[in-house]
Amino acid sequence: GDSVTQMEGPVTLSEEACLTINCTYTATGYPSLFWYVQYPGEGLQLLLKATKADDKGSNKGFEATYRKETTSFHLEKGSVQVSDSAVYFCALSAENNNDMRFGAGTRLTVKP
Amino acid sequence: DAGVIQSPRHEVTEMGQEVTLRCKPISGHDYLFWYRQTMMRGLELLIYFNNNVPIDDSGMPEDRFSAKMPNASFSTLKIQPSEPRDSAVYFCASRPGAGGGYEQYFGPGTRLTVT
Repeated sequence: GDSVTQMEGPVTLSEEACLTINCTYTATGYPSLFWYVQYPGEGLQLLLKATKADDKGSNKGFEATYRKETTSFHLEKGSVQVSDSAVYFCALSAENNNDMRFGAGTRLTVKP
Repeated sequence: DAGVIQSPRHEVTEMGQEVTLRCKPISGHDYLFWYRQTMMRGLELLIYFNNNVPIDDSGMPEDRFSAKMPNASFSTLKIQPSEPRDSAVYFCASRPGAGGGYEQYFGPGTRLTVT
């Protein structure tokens, strides 16, 4: 079945460091791909999305490119801030499914 | 739009008691999802509705759990009787119908503690 695998955390970085959180997926057809962010005590918020191959989603300095050849959607940011500390979830929604498949989440801590 | 609204935000109850969690989806959204999040099991889909009709309840852990959606603007998740292992954060999410995109919009969650 459809699934998402993302790198395990936790990830700890210093402020202004570069971030990459790996995400790969398994799905039939052409799913839509998402990154969600969950700040402490809050619900999941959509960070960015891509709906077709080679699309790049971007928001708040974060980027992810839909790579069909490698079935990947890695999250990147060139310079992280303390305020980026949160849990990040990769997710997919396939054409033939109404629900969404989430990765296990990666906890990011950014230290000043 | 106010976003997805959930109540209560926190619930503490004793084992054996009935618990009812409430959700108001974003107006105009056709789909509503209930999730449970724990440290051990991560984010789990419990049930989802399309146009107020339950479509997939295979994630509901057992008969103690039930969910209803009497109209397009309101859903409940009930646990009766509650047990300590039900302690978790419960999220409601909604999304538009066909053609409106597949992204889900989450509420702030209800943190349930069963003692």
